[in-house]
Amino acid sequence: HSELTQPPSVSGAPRQRVTISCSGSSSNIGNNGVTWYQQLPGQAPKVLIYYDDRRPSGGSDRFSGSKSGTSASLAISGLQSEDEADYYCGAWDDGLNGPVFGGGTKLAVL
Amino acid sequence: QITLKESGPTLVRPTETLTLTCNFSGFSLSNFGMGVGWIRQPPGKALQWLALIYWDDDVRHSPSLKNRLSVTKDTSKNHVVLTLTNMGPVDTATYFCARSVTTGSFDYWGPGSLVTVS
Repeated sequence: HSELTQPPSVSGAPRQRVTISCSGSSSNIGNNGVTWYQQLPGQAPKVLIYYDDRRPSGGSDRFSGSKSGTSASLAISGLQSEDEADYYCGAWDDGLNGPVFGGGTKLAVL
Repeated sequence: QITLKESGPTLVRPTETLTLTCNFSGFSLSNFGMGVGWIRQPPGKALQWLALIYWDDDVRHSPSLKNRLSVTKDTSKNHVVLTLTNMGPVDTATYFCARSVTTGSFDYWGPGSLVTVS
């Protein structure tokens, strides 16, 4: 099982806003930065957000991250069909002494 | 430009040992704070972290695979090698290598290498 808990799926209509949650514990999200990845079908994951809420250079501002306590969220605004993908959260886990990932959330754009 | 690419067998028989190589360019694994990790993804399933090797030879392993895993690096050749012994059908997955410069985060990934155990 995954150390971080995500909903299996979310959906939204074009131009809407959706959020994906990621729940952890004090040994991971509660004490370390969260990274969000987007994985398009057949591709490697790509960083959308790191250090909870920072976007990589050139990253789309339609994606934003937040964190409170042991939970984090990824918000996607202005949904587009090309946003259909799997989204993963990740964080360092002090107990595991390594990184952990969430189980992934599949986003469907209706 | 930073790139990573995994290479190795696509088919492994049960009980055999898997050896995968991650060749990278655009950064040096001898630089302070740099790391290269291995992550796998069984078909249709989530990402699973396997191991991480740092610039100073510090190596971290997933506890669930620690007894079967080893990771080495050759800084002069810009590659990292993953070895996983006693392969079984549950090890069928796409294996990714990725760069780590911040704790717990992987900023550049290879395209992945699908390994089937059969």
